[in-house]
Amino acid sequence: SAVISQKPSRDICQRGTSLTIQCQVDSQVTMMFWYRQQPGQSLTLIATANQGSEATYESGFVIDKFPISRPNLTFSTLTVSNLSPEDSSIYLCSVEWRMGYEQYFGPGTRLTVT
Amino acid sequence: ELKVEQNPLFLSMQEGKNYTIYCNYSTTSDRLYWYRQDPGKSLESLFVLLSNGAVKQEGRLMASLDTKARLSTLHITAAVHDLSATYFCAVALETSYDKVIFGPGTSLSVIP
Repeated sequence: SAVISQKPSRDICQRGTSLTIQCQVDSQVTMMFWYRQQPGQSLTLIATANQGSEATYESGFVIDKFPISRPNLTFSTLTVSNLSPEDSSIYLCSVEWRMGYEQYFGPGTRLTVT
Repeated sequence: ELKVEQNPLFLSMQEGKNYTIYCNYSTTSDRLYWYRQDPGKSLESLFVLLSNGAVKQEGRLMASLDTKARLSTLHITAAVHDLSATYFCAVALETSYDKVIFGPGTSLSVIP
């Protein structure tokens, strides 16, 4: 299995600022994904990040608000820009493993916007 | 558009009892996941079901997949308090295996 770490584990940010979340995997992976989990809700896919190409965003998520970098096969960042209280959520990265037969999740980053 | 439903959304059951959580999805897929999430924690992978008729068991949990009915079940046998958690099913789009859509989750509470 893949071991995934995220930084920071939690943060409290002021409205209008930005937060960059890092996701590190202990093995090279092709596909990385970013999800949002709003309080008490399920997971919603934000975007898919392939190394060497632009991220693919899901409906309702735009690059200006959620820019993503994927500089190599073990690392990705998600930035949540121009924060508002509605962005308060847990953000999770995940990776596809064994040609997509499994998907593992990082520990998550809990963001609170005041 | 792929939609994933689960029922029930909330389940309170007594220790020792059996129960089943259902996961329905709206388009064809042959890859379905079950995850467990404890409060404040990330997701733990429980099962990956890859073909019609697949059945997997781990301890008191057993998952099955019927791709023709677009239905998966998670059966709990003789529940214990440690099983209290939220359980999610998630389905991979057949046309885009890199996209996995989650159900709303079933919050399970096992009471003595």
